Amino acid sequence: AQKITQTQPGMFVQEKEAVTLDCTYDTSDQSYGLFWYKQPSSGEMIFLIYQGSYDEQNATEGRYSLNFQKARKSANLVISASQLGDSAMYFCAMSPYSSASKIIFGSGTRLSIRP
Amino acid sequence: DTAVSQTPKYLVTQMGNDKSIKCEQNLGHDTMYWYKQDSKKFLKIMFSYNNKELIINETVPNRFSPKSPDKAHLNLHINSLELGDSAVYFCASSQGGQGHQETQYFGPGTRLLVL
Repeated sequence: AQKITQTQPGMFVQEKEAVTLDCTYDTSDQSYGLFWYKQPSSGEMIFLIYQGSYDEQNATEGRYSLNFQKARKSANLVISASQLGDSAMYFCAMSPYSSASKIIFGSGTRLSIRP
Repeated sequence: DTAVSQTPKYLVTQMGNDKSIKCEQNLGHDTMYWYKQDSKKFLKIMFSYNNKELIINETVPNRFSPKSPDKAHLNLHINSLELGDSAVYFCASSQGGQGHQETQYFGPGTRLLVL
């Protein structure tokens, strides 16, 4: 079964601290893509970062990095130096090779940054 | 210069009515999608079109019918609206041809409320 699991429904973090959002996935495909999206309270879905299953380096985009551990099937998002504007829902997602362009989303983690 | 746009942003209607949501992308992408996000924030794909052809059709009631007049547009028509159709509907697009490696870019969402 193809599945994404996000075990943290909500998190509170102090501003300027780093935060790790957990994501594990399940797929029998050898080739797949992993994504993180941010959904602020305004509702739009914003693409943050992508990791391919054959990428040897962990993906990084500014303050976002993806801690990819293939053997553990985990793809945690790390946000460094958190800001108030980082408060949002964060969704981990996967696109297995066998599903062509279909993306499967996790249930999301609501991140709240405290000033 | 919105990349993926949807209209309307909000839609309030009575049960039994028929309504349409429009989506347009100016990214030159070949593939477009419709997702439904329920009240618990769970996102699920409904349909996907590549170059005006249907490629993904998840288990969605027949009352939902996507229409793609050209590859830049993917509209969603809903017949005989039911209370359970209340949700946020997101349109998305991706370049096409790269399968599981493709990043999908989302529109702002249409908040549908059926009374």
